[in-house]
Amino acid sequence: KAGVTQTPRYLIKTRGQQVTLSCSPISGHRSVSWYQQTPGQGLQFLFEYFSETQRNKGNFPGRFSGRQFSNSRSEMNVSTLELGDSALYLCASSLDGFDNQPQHFGDGTRLSIL
Amino acid sequence: AQKVTQAQTEISVVEKEDVTLDCVYETRDTTYYLFWYKQPPSGELVFLIRRNSFDEQNEISGRYSWNFQKSTSSFNFTITASQVVDSAVYFCALRSSGTYKYIFGTGTRLKVLA
Repeated sequence: KAGVTQTPRYLIKTRGQQVTLSCSPISGHRSVSWYQQTPGQGLQFLFEYFSETQRNKGNFPGRFSGRQFSNSRSEMNVSTLELGDSALYLCASSLDGFDNQPQHFGDGTRLSIL
Repeated sequence: AQKVTQAQTEISVVEKEDVTLDCVYETRDTTYYLFWYKQPPSGELVFLIRRNSFDEQNEISGRYSWNFQKSTSSFNFTITASQVVDSAVYFCALRSSGTYKYIFGTGTRLKVLA
């Protein structure tokens, strides 16, 4: 069974640009969450989607947005990139999004802003 | 407010030593779930264990054991007879019922030296 797939693995952008990251959850999983991981900050929750609906959003500016498609694949977009957006962006999926279900993580997309 | 604190930023032990990773959480909810994840150098977070707030029974899985104490809001993780392969960053996470979000601690980097 394929795991969570994130593309691309690495991205280099410059300030002011925008970027779109993609996540394909494990087959059959309907809940997808996104996190930003930076040294010292750990994993910061960005948003969670279930059946194309955003159910919660973390404390990030409006430049960070996301969506989920009918096949459960998800994308997140960051506009007007800033140096501080350099981070590892992780996607995680779970079967039904129930509270007791563990999340399965992808390898992440490492975004570097120059 | 919900919060997870992993006060130990980095721990170094010699192989075969026992080591305990601390996790303290804060939540006002009565129903919640606690998780431990391992992030090896390869990067992908791996689920280790889940505990719900109504089950304070400790658990042992091979060399791993977990101690959940609601009275002290702690969910500590002990590795017995550590091995080099245990070297990783370990994250503790909290999910309160109905919030659709996981709160992660900042992680503890464990280095096991041969």
